[in-house]
Amino acid sequence: ETGVTQTPRHLVMGMTNKKSLKCEQHLGHNAMYWYKQSAKKPLELMFVYNFKEQTENNSVPSRFSPECPNSSHLFLHLHTLQPEDSALYLCASSGRGLTDTQYFGPGTRLTVL
Amino acid sequence: ELKVEQNPLFLSMQEGKNYTIYCNYSTTSDRLYWYRQDPGKSLESLFVLLSNGAVKQEGRLMASLDTKARLSTLHITAAVHDLSATYFCAVDRIQGAQKLVFGQGTRLTINP
Repeated sequence: ETGVTQTPRHLVMGMTNKKSLKCEQHLGHNAMYWYKQSAKKPLELMFVYNFKEQTENNSVPSRFSPECPNSSHLFLHLHTLQPEDSALYLCASSGRGLTDTQYFGPGTRLTVL
Repeated sequence: ELKVEQNPLFLSMQEGKNYTIYCNYSTTSDRLYWYRQDPGKSLESLFVLLSNGAVKQEGRLMASLDTKARLSTLHITAAVHDLSATYFCAVDRIQGAQKLVFGQGTRLTINP
């Protein structure tokens, strides 16, 4: 596989469930990101990892828990979510070059019932 | 707080016409990005602009940056249906990993 992959592509979960989203990048990048895209708000940066270290937590509720075991993999652990957390969750990665752009995965469409 | 505003948010135009999408940002930024998103798909990078007066072109799309005015434009020339998508601009400061702040997006519909 090439680029940035995300699994699952679709997820439906109840408010008491625990689930995890997975992201993998095959681009040799050092930084990885989680974004939330919902209909009512612009794309929101949630977490940033640089060389496996978390460098940004954009005031995200603790029911979202990120994990970055290495520079190629990023997880988002979900527990006791609310219906308003339903959204498209996008993972991205980037290199260190000045003109490097972020490469986005296809996203996971999450529905919380 | 860095804010990014795009206008218009919705744009319907005919094939063959020219139009411009505007992106304003509130504080000094180091880089400006344009992305495209097709319905149900992820974001695809179009341009990265670094310096004042930078201009980049790809096919019928041309992006420019005026850092003094804190304004970027995405100009569409002789639009074709395939350019129908949502276009986002984003800015960030150069400080380790990128921390992009996105605009609301402009949904562009090009009619035959």
